[in-house]
Amino acid sequence: AQSVTQLDSQVPVFEEAPVELRCNYSSSVSVYLFWYVQYPNQGLQLLLKYLSGSTLVESINGFEAEFNKSQTSFHLRKPSVHISDTAEYFCAVSEKNAGNMLTFGGGTRLMVKP
Amino acid sequence: GAVVSQHPSRVICKSGTSVKIECRSLDFQATTMFWYRQFPKQSLMLMATSNEGSKATYEQGVEKDKFLINHASLTLSTLTVTSAHPEDSSFYICSASGPNPYEQYFGPGTRLTVT
Repeated sequence: AQSVTQLDSQVPVFEEAPVELRCNYSSSVSVYLFWYVQYPNQGLQLLLKYLSGSTLVESINGFEAEFNKSQTSFHLRKPSVHISDTAEYFCAVSEKNAGNMLTFGGGTRLMVKP
Repeated sequence: GAVVSQHPSRVICKSGTSVKIECRSLDFQATTMFWYRQFPKQSLMLMATSNEGSKATYEQGVEKDKFLINHASLTLSTLTVTSAHPEDSSFYICSASGPNPYEQYFGPGTRLTVT
């Protein structure tokens, strides 16, 4: 069975500073990788995903994540954050050829300060 | 595309009553729907998986008689919390898969408060 670890439960950062939210996973088979964002009292929104191909994936709002197979990581980065990026971020994995069951990390609360 | 709605968004009920939460896929047919529970400042906990026309598969530790799941059509799944108690108060989120089999599309969640 797979597992997902988000090493930081909270990440405080000043506006316009860069940020990295860490995600490591373990699985015995190939995986799909996802980052979701959750704003207060809302559901999850897909931020970006890695399915295959280029290991660097980008979102439309400036986030990017890189799949590193050797380190089993899928860290999320943004070079310059905005106040509006304050939210909870969840990393998730699903195993290829094993349906679409998602395993979530514990979440990281990104707090952007002015 | 791939929009999932939930109704109601918030519900307050008295202890001992039952409450039904609906999850709908608005623009696609959902072969599988998932129900999650989320406690404050925690991650999502999968409660059950349901396929249209089949009985739901519950995760270990989830009482199937308390959390009744019905997936009667390819666009609707319902979660009924029976004989609710204050400890059932939580944020319930559904998701659906369909267009892309490896991806889940999430609803906006339902905040249940049992008094």
